[in-house]
Amino acid sequence: AQTVTQSQPEMSVQEAETVTLSCTYDTSESDYYLFWYKQPPSRQMILVIRQEAYKQQNATENRFSVNFQKAAKSFSLKISDSQLGDAAMYFCAYRREFTGANSKLTFGKGITLSVRP
Amino acid sequence: ETGVTQSPTHLIKTRGQQVTLRCSSQSGHNTVSWYQQALGQGPQFIFQYYREEENGRGNFPPRFSGLQFPNYSSELNVNALELDDSALYLCASSLGGDRGSSPLHFGNGTRLTVT
Repeated sequence: AQTVTQSQPEMSVQEAETVTLSCTYDTSESDYYLFWYKQPPSRQMILVIRQEAYKQQNATENRFSVNFQKAAKSFSLKISDSQLGDAAMYFCAYRREFTGANSKLTFGKGITLSVRP
Repeated sequence: ETGVTQSPTHLIKTRGQQVTLRCSSQSGHNTVSWYQQALGQGPQFIFQYYREEENGRGNFPPRFSGLQFPNYSSELNVNALELDDSALYLCASSLGGDRGSSPLHFGNGTRLTVT
């Protein structure tokens, strides 16, 4: 079974600074997807960024980038130029890759990010 | 483009009762999955429906059941409610097919409290 571990329950960053959120996972599969989701107080899960395991290049979306280390099974999220609106819970998630419609996500426990003005 | 909508927003039930939660999928999506998120935890996969049939289930007892309708909307039913069923229930839709599925789009969830 796949597991996702987020060992830091809380982190804090100064506005405009950079912060890195850590995630490790365990799987015996070679093909899979990894995701970071943001959950603000509105409760809606918002996709921040995704990484395909077969791609060596790290994904980037504007101020958000990842450091994907496949051999180490590590998938960290870097937020640059942090903004007050980045304050939320962040979840790392794993999805197995195979043909068919199954889109089951396995989530970590999440990390609460606060941004200091 | 209409996003994923869930109803009701909040719900309070008594232990032993039954509850039905509803979800309308995003336009063009044919797959709906349900997740349970306990306070301070990550979401846990309950089950998924693809073209009106259940095609994946997590570690939840049979009293958690669901339906998907021809318009791809979905219901989550929970019988014999227990105190531990108190959680945020999230619905997510995606476009699935033989080549896999698109990223999930989540609704705002239903907060269920069992007393």
